Amino acid sequence: EAGVAQSPRYKIIEKRQSVAFWCNPISGHATLYWYQQILGQGPKLLIQFQNNGVVDDSQLPKDRFSAERLKGVDSTLKIQPAKLEDSAVYLCASSLDYRGPGNTEAFFGQGTRLTVV
Amino acid sequence: RKEVEQDPGPFNVPEGATVAFNCTYSNSASQSFFWYRQDCRKEPKLLMSVYSSGNEDGRFTAQLNRASQYISLLIRDSKLSDSATYLCVVIHSGGYQKVTFGTGTKLQVIP
Repeated sequence: EAGVAQSPRYKIIEKRQSVAFWCNPISGHATLYWYQQILGQGPKLLIQFQNNGVVDDSQLPKDRFSAERLKGVDSTLKIQPAKLEDSAVYLCASSLDYRGPGNTEAFFGQGTRLTVV
Repeated sequence: RKEVEQDPGPFNVPEGATVAFNCTYSNSASQSFFWYRQDCRKEPKLLMSVYSSGNEDGRFTAQLNRASQYISLLIRDSKLSDSATYLCVVIHSGGYQKVTFGTGTKLQVIP
C-alpha cells in the first residue's frame, strides 16, 4: 500500500516570498491533516479536512496560510508571504475516517522541511 | 495549562533499563489516546493505542488513568533502537475529532 506522498521534501525561500506544499493521502482516506512541527516541538495541527470540507482550521494563521482539498483527494498548503518563524517541517497525514473510533490512526508523509531566510 | 503535556526529557538510560513516560491531558472528555514514535528527522509513526484496561505489546506497556487524566508508556529492557522521541496523542470528540499532540519526550538509550 502506498503511503502519504508529499512534495517537495525541502524548500528554502526568502521571507515575504510564497511557497506551496502538496500532499497526496493514502487512497480511500477521507480525513487529511496538515501539521506544522517546529524543531524541538510536537506537531501542531494547522487544518483538518473531511473529504473536501474543512472541519478544523482554528490554528491556521489565515492572514498568510491557506489550504485546499478541492476534489477530496490531494491537498495543497500555501504560505504567502512567508515569515522567518514559518521555518518548520510541514507534515501531512491521513486517516480512513476520523468519525470512527477504530479508524483514527493517522499515517504521516515524510514532510516538507521549509527554511525561511 | 496546555491541552497535552509531556516531560521533554531527554531521558538518558542504559541498555536494559526500564523507563517510563507520562503524559497529562486537560480535557476530561478526551476519548482516544495513542503513543507515536518519531525518529530524528523522520515522520511520526503509531507505536500503540492506549486502552482503558491498559495494553501491552512486547516490551511496551501503555496505561490510562482517567481519574488523574494521564497516560503512561513503560519500556522494559531498553534497546539502542528505542532511542527516539515519543509523542503522546489525545483525541477529543465534540462534533469532530480534535487531535492534539504533546511536545514529545526524547529517549536516548546508551550502550
